[in-house]
Amino acid sequence: AQTVTQSQPEMSVQEAETVTLSCTYDTSESDYYLFWYKQPPSRQMILVIRQEAYKQQNATENRFSVNFQKAAKSFSLKISDSQLGDAAMYFCAYRSAREYGNKLVFGAGTILRVKS
Amino acid sequence: NAGVTQTPKFQVLKTGQSMTLQCAQDMNHEYMSWYRQDPGMGLRLIHYSVGAGITDQGEVPNGYNVSRSTTEDFPLRLLSAAPSQTSVYFCASSYGDRVHEQYFGPGTRLTVT
Repeated sequence: AQTVTQSQPEMSVQEAETVTLSCTYDTSESDYYLFWYKQPPSRQMILVIRQEAYKQQNATENRFSVNFQKAAKSFSLKISDSQLGDAAMYFCAYRSAREYGNKLVFGAGTILRVKS
Repeated sequence: NAGVTQTPKFQVLKTGQSMTLQCAQDMNHEYMSWYRQDPGMGLRLIHYSVGAGITDQGEVPNGYNVSRSTTEDFPLRLLSAAPSQTSVYFCASSYGDRVHEQYFGPGTRLTVT
């Protein structure tokens, strides 16, 4: 079974600075998808960014980018120019490309605090 | 579109009681799922469905039942609630495997005393 590990329970960043959240995963598959979800205090799950394993290019979405290292099974999220609204819990998630059901395996999450 | 809706938002049950968490989506999505979120454990898949009449177990199915009689609705039933089922429950839906994004409902916070 696949597992996702987020080794940082909490991170802090100063407003306008850059922060990187770590995620590693374990799988024997070669084709899969990786995601970062944001969960603000409202509890709503919001998709931040996604990466297809067959793509070598790292995904970017405005201030959010990933560093995808397939061989190392690492998928970190970089948030540039951090804003107060970025404060949230962030979850890394894995989905197999072979299985039906769009089933996500989540990490334990990282709480991000943004200081003004 | 309302997206994915869940009711109730909060619920307190006594041990042994039963209840149904409701989930509905108006996006004509094939796939629907239930997750539970516990501190330090992220979200874990309880049950999922790939279409009306088709359901299957996820990682933590014990103590929960589901059915999918329509495309829109995917209720989660707790037959005999236990304190270990105290959690936040999320319903999610997606078109299928070709479109990757899952849309999540707002969650239900359940406390079992």
